[in-house]
Amino acid sequence: GIQVEQSPPDLILQEGANSTLRCNFSDSVNNLQWFHQNPWGQLINLFYIPSGTKQNGRLSATTVATERYSLLYISSSQTTDSGVYFCASRQGGSEKLVFGKGTKLTVNP
Amino acid sequence: GAVVSQHPSWVICKSGTSVKIECRSLDFQATTMFWYRQFPKQSLMLMATSNEGSKATYEQGVEKDKFLINHASLTLSTLTVTSAHPEDSSFYICSASMFGSGWKGYTFGSGTRLTVV
Repeated sequence: GIQVEQSPPDLILQEGANSTLRCNFSDSVNNLQWFHQNPWGQLINLFYIPSGTKQNGRLSATTVATERYSLLYISSSQTTDSGVYFCASRQGGSEKLVFGKGTKLTVNP
Repeated sequence: GAVVSQHPSWVICKSGTSVKIECRSLDFQATTMFWYRQFPKQSLMLMATSNEGSKATYEQGVEKDKFLINHASLTLSTLTVTSAHPEDSSFYICSASMFGSGWKGYTFGSGTRLTVV
């Protein structure tokens, strides 16, 4: 099945810094999503981005499907950005979502 | 739009009792719902896929008799942890999606933290 790898596993930033999170996948995907899991466990949809670039405020994401990776950019980070960021994709024609192991982001004041 | 409500948020139960967790899609009809389990500092592990009106499909290694899933309607799926034991303590999360044209991804509930004492 498809493998989803995220890097880095941990990231510590000072408030105001920018960061880039990466998601590599082992096979072609056409339905990649990025999620943020806050400290209380809630998974929040950030982007549904099978290809191209999308922006939402300080966050943006780019997926290059032909090269099997996606990037999540966080600019001017805030302490509320802390949590774990997951990328995930459906596996082929399956309805199942395959998750990466996540990147734990800590933003210090 | 696309809101999924999960209840309860947390529950503490005695060993040997059963616990039911509800997952509702509030503003859309979910053709498929999913149940995940998450251990501390780990990623989400898919337990089962449920479709309205049919039996759930369990992932390998998940005990179907322990984790009973019922998807009675297009807006409600329930997970019952039967005869719970301390090793069942975990964070359980549901998700829902309406597949078809214009599919925009999955929406997750807020999770249920189960502690079995």
